[in-house]
Amino acid sequence: DTGVSQNPRHKITKRGQNVTFRCDPISEHNRLYWYRQTLGQGPEFLTYFQNEAQLEKSRLLSDRFSAERPKGSFSTLEIQRTEQGDSAMYLCASSPGRTYGTDTQYFGPGTRLTVL
Amino acid sequence: GNSVTQMEGPVTLSEEAFLTINCTYTATGYPSLFWYVQYPGEGLQLLLKATKADDKGSNKGFEATYRKETTSFHLEKGSVQVSDSAVYFCALLYGGATNKLIFGTGTLLAVQP
Repeated sequence: DTGVSQNPRHKITKRGQNVTFRCDPISEHNRLYWYRQTLGQGPEFLTYFQNEAQLEKSRLLSDRFSAERPKGSFSTLEIQRTEQGDSAMYLCASSPGRTYGTDTQYFGPGTRLTVL
Repeated sequence: GNSVTQMEGPVTLSEEAFLTINCTYTATGYPSLFWYVQYPGEGLQLLLKATKADDKGSNKGFEATYRKETTSFHLEKGSVQVSDSAVYFCALLYGGATNKLIFGTGTLLAVQP
């Protein structure tokens, strides 16, 4: 079990550019989650997938953000027209998805985005 | 709404001291409760969890008991080490179709030799 992996680990971009992050969950995990963490705060939920279906999106996820999980395996999170307020750590997590309410989420190392 | 409140840090302790980090929650129903730890520059690692009232989660010498009557899930360790220095997050997972974790703001623990 290799754990959740995320790429890139760091991304520096200029305001207005588009960026895309990738997350590879633990194999056999059905559920995949994206969170955003700003300095000194706990992670905040952005969205989650059950297999390839995106089942919930936070109000934090503006229309500049889009996430996909095309074959129910890896996922991508794209931010269009980045703004300085998008600077944060973007965390991906996965869980087995066999239960509701007790399903443990395992996190990747995160992608740190800096928008100049 | 659902929320988690953690004691503010930083918490500074000497090695071998006793640790308590307070966590209380507000939720309708019966959430599962978690403690995650984040070492500098890394993602979150699951430390322990409890899924129902009176359950005790434990791992690596850390313990926390799910107290429904006080809506608390305080983290404790009898003897901390320098290697325990990290940020600790309390979180709840609400049951039903909502699978998102709701986190507290985190508590920085600094253990001095």
